[in-house]
Amino acid sequence: GAGVSQSPRYKVAKRGQDVALRCDPISGHVSLFWYQQALGQGPEFLTYFQNEAQLDKSGLPSDRFFAERPEGSVSTLKIQRTQQEDSAVYLCASSLGWTGGNIQYFGAGTRLSVL
Amino acid sequence: AQSVSQHNHHVILSEAASLELGCNYSYGGTVNLFWYVQYPGQHLQLLLKYFSGDPLVKGIKGFEAEFIKSKFSFNLRKPSVQWSDTAEYFCAVNGAGNTGKLIFGQGTTLQVKP
Repeated sequence: GAGVSQSPRYKVAKRGQDVALRCDPISGHVSLFWYQQALGQGPEFLTYFQNEAQLDKSGLPSDRFFAERPEGSVSTLKIQRTQQEDSAVYLCASSLGWTGGNIQYFGAGTRLSVL
Repeated sequence: AQSVSQHNHHVILSEAASLELGCNYSYGGTVNLFWYVQYPGQHLQLLLKYFSGDPLVKGIKGFEAEFIKSKFSFNLRKPSVQWSDTAEYFCAVNGAGNTGKLIFGQGTTLQVKP
């Protein structure tokens, strides 16, 4: 596709449910990032992949958060036993290279609401 | 740890007014600097970037930003705003580890009155 695609666009979960958020990066992009954006705040880094390798997961808020990118393309962010504080927009971004001098292209995000 | 501070949370301007949005970062090493914009209902998109060279960079839609290393600043400017510039603006930096991980400011909401 032409850009980064995320699905679903909106997800409502009951507290305690597991959710899976999908990101389809721009074809050929080596790097993939996940960010969490709370209402009225800037995006906050969660985790980073270079191809299929998860090189940085320092931003994941708890062990309920898990991300994978098994074939170096599509990535899934999974949140287990969702809590109300997990409500946020989850953004995925991809970039062609793996260094800081590469532009990140963002998807539209998945808005997660935990009731 | 790196951090980014945007001074203005909400700015209201009339069309044709000049704009300056402040951004300061904390990191003493080499940095890459970005301004992203999010128009209502749309995804984040790059407005402009600074990697190296001329500290005055020009972006899309008439925006520019100046990197002042001594002040750790990367302020965004536009001489004459339009109603269509109504959006949220985010300053971001990466540097430590050079992995591409972005640290964002909290954003500035710009409202331009026609």
